[in-house]
Order: sequence, then C-alpha cells, then structure tokens
Amino acid sequence: QKEVEQNSGPLSVPEGAIASLNCTYSDRGSQSFFWYRQYSGKSPELIMFIYSNGDKEDGRFTAQLNKASQYVSLLIRDSQPSDSATYLCAVNRWDDSWGKFQFGAGTQVVVTP
Amino acid sequence: NAGVTQTPKFQVLKTGQSMTLQCAQDMNHNSMYWYRQDPGMGLRLIYYSASEGTTDKGEVPNGYNVSRLNKREFSLRLESAAPSQTSVYFCASYRANTEAFFGQGTRLTVV
Repeated sequence: QKEVEQNSGPLSVPEGAIASLNCTYSDRGSQSFFWYRQYSGKSPELIMFIYSNGDKEDGRFTAQLNKASQYVSLLIRDSQPSDSATYLCAVNRWDDSWGKFQFGAGTQVVVTP
Repeated sequence: NAGVTQTPKFQVLKTGQSMTLQCAQDMNHNSMYWYRQDPGMGLRLIYYSASEGTTDKGEVPNGYNVSRLNKREFSLRLESAAPSQTSVYFCASYRANTEAFFGQGTRLTVV
C-alpha cells in the first residue's frame, strides 16, 4: 500500500464547474498536508497547505482535512482551462528541523471549454 | 530571488557514464532533497540532507550518491548510469513547518 494515494485520473471537468480531488494517507503521524500543481514539463508549485481539521479556503481553492479518516481533499471552484494540470498531494511529518515529504502519484485534471 | 536552481536542465548519457546534478538554494533552508519523477509514480525521494553535513537515504537510493557541499548546495551523482535511471530529477529545499520549494528539474535520458 502506498503511503499517499490519489486517483490518477484524468478528471475531466467542464469549464466553470467544481473539480474535486481526493487524497488518502496511511501515516497517522502526518502533521501537514500540501497540494501542489504541476504543469506538464514543469516543477511542482504549491497551491495551498493545511494543518488542522476542517476547511481552508484560498481564492477558488478549498482544502479539506479529516485526520480521523486520514483524508485530505482539494476543491477547485469555477474551473478554468488554466487549471488543467496534475495535482500532487503531499503529507509531511517533521522531526526536529526537517520534514519527510511523501507524495502521491498525482491526479490529472483536464478542464474542457 | 532565484529560489532553487538546478543544472543541467537536460542531459543524455550513455550507459555506464557518470554525471553530477547540481542544486543550489538561496533561501537559507536547512533541509534539501533529491527526488525522481517517473510517469504514474509521483515523486520518489532518492536522498535527503536534513542539515549541512548530514545526508541520508530515501526511498530509492541505489545507484546514486550525494554531497551536501555547504548549506546552499546539494549535488546528486550517478556513478555508472543505467537506462532505469532515465527520469526527471527534482531538487527541493525546505524550512521547518513551511512548504518545499522545487528547482526547475533535470530531464535525464540514459541510452
């Protein structure tokens, strides 16, 4: 079992609709949770992170965390063609000053006009 | 404000050749990482350095060596390249309780 699981997709979303991405993780000691966006041929870039149970909103993006269920999700509202990318879920636990990131394989999102 | 800089961006090697991937960060981060990314497999940790002077193996260290030259620089060396090492390599740095910042990646092909 992988430590971080994501549906690979592709997730096809009409322009203007909501894209819902899911991620589950196996390490109950995970302390922080990240969503990265990666365009084809580019490096991952952070969209948002969440540490506490509940929802966190940033513009059109909402991250949701449920530590009891070991589940984190990302909602993209009013999806735009520019949102077409692969979205990587990452979880982290830190020991002293460094953090061990575990990444999922990513979900490809395709926003269709 | 360069962030994390990797060189080279592209490289083609013949089986058995060696090379070093260079990485430097200017954010004064303690922790640095090398990942490889293969289709459908996400980012897999090769080696990491929690702080200057320390390095440790990650998930897929075989065939690689690293050097944490100073706080800024963390290099990855392939001593005898194999076709299985064809991949995209990313260097990243991290400050405690914040995000990981990635370099622009190195696309390596071993023929």
